[in-house]
Amino acid sequence: ETVMTQSPATLSVSPGERATLSCRASQIGSNNLAWYQAKPGQAPRLLIYGASTRANGVPARFSGSGSGTEFTLTISSLQSEDFAIYYCQQYINWPPMYTFGQGTKLDI
Amino acid sequence: QVELQESSPGLVKPSQTLSLTCTVSGGALSTGGYYWNWIRQHPGKGLEWIGYIYYSGSTYYNPSLKSRVTISVDTSKNQFSLKLTSLTAADTAVYYCAVGDPGDYYYAMDVWGQGTTVTVSS
Repeated sequence: ETVMTQSPATLSVSPGERATLSCRASQIGSNNLAWYQAKPGQAPRLLIYGASTRANGVPARFSGSGSGTEFTLTISSLQSEDFAIYYCQQYINWPPMYTFGQGTKLDI
Repeated sequence: QVELQESSPGLVKPSQTLSLTCTVSGGALSTGGYYWNWIRQHPGKGLEWIGYIYYSGSTYYNPSLKSRVTISVDTSKNQFSLKLTSLTAADTAVYYCAVGDPGDYYYAMDVWGQGTTVTVSS
């Protein structure tokens, strides 16, 4: 079973700064890697899929990169609405299953 | 655009079975190529994938929950459902349904329901 490890657990940043979030898979998988933004009382929102493609309506300040076992979500200039918890997720073809990382909380 | 809506069982008792339904609107669940998922989030914790069903009826579950989970589909009602047996307080969580797209979205879940809170307590 693949384990997804996100770091750091909490990242304290200021509006306007750049944030870099990491996600490591315990074994080499595919690039079926997605990033989600979660806010209290709301359903998670898909930001990035296929490791690097922004979902519809996602601002250009969000970017994803990486392959193999190491993936990164970068937010180039933080806005107030970006303070949330971010999860990476990978889909493995066999046995078929999704695995989420434990999340990184972006704090002011 | 597909929209998803979970049912609201609210409070359930320990040892009972949780039954949740996700109603799909704006598209046919029977359309091939999508994975219909259940995910949960324990209070103050991260996201946990429970399992998914393909329109054909094929199911895949999280190994940690497999012995207690059944996901089924009713294409006539455009709904898919989750049953989780032998409930304990550890099953208290917000439960989400979501659709995964293995084609255009590399299996990512681009549409989610709003979530329903399930509390297991006597």
